[in-house]
Amino acid sequence: GAGVSQSPSNKVTEKGKDVELRCDPISGHTALYWYRQSLGQGLEFLIYFQGNSAPDKSGLPSDRFSAERTGGSVSTLTIQRTQQEDSAVYLCASSLGTYDEQYFGPGTRLTVT
Amino acid sequence: KQEVTQIPAALSVPEGENLVLNCSFTDSAIYNLQWFRQDPGKGLTSLLLIQSSQREQTSGRLNASLDKSSGRSTLYIAASQPGDSATYLCAVDMDSNYQLIWGAGTKLIIKP
Repeated sequence: GAGVSQSPSNKVTEKGKDVELRCDPISGHTALYWYRQSLGQGLEFLIYFQGNSAPDKSGLPSDRFSAERTGGSVSTLTIQRTQQEDSAVYLCASSLGTYDEQYFGPGTRLTVT
Repeated sequence: KQEVTQIPAALSVPEGENLVLNCSFTDSAIYNLQWFRQDPGKGLTSLLLIQSSQREQTSGRLNASLDKSSGRSTLYIAASQPGDSATYLCAVDMDSNYQLIWGAGTKLIIKP
């Protein structure tokens, strides 16, 4: 069956521009997560969605970052006024429910020049 | 604050050897622990998930053990193959929080 998909796979943008990253979770998975993996650093949690509940945004590094999940399925992570330190691989994962095994997409590599 | 450590950071072994990767965590109040592999330029593939009540999980040539009280997990790879070359990451889900907390990974190279 189809796994988690993300688009675009690569994005190069100029400093100060806004970017949108998309995640399509596995059908039927109620939980969706965004993580960031920076060069030379480990993965860090960004945001979590569960069903229709309010998302946990505690991992977002600044107010330039926001995310939404429409209809309990597709999610979009938006970064406004991008900075060079935003360059990283952004990974999306979904799971059947909270605490269930997480399945990851291939990631979006963001480069801010 | 939970901290997850993986040792060694890198490992290179000849094909055919059995090997063990280590993961330790400081707070034993975990809900589960997952092992992942990451291939260069690609996303993460889940290998094994061990619930806190379990001692081990097996999948093919992989066996993961969990000693929650001592804060340790190991990933055993039998009869290693060049295709096993990847970075292996462990991550824990806390009882109080569903955010995965990650180790820095072990980069494994299997030499033909």
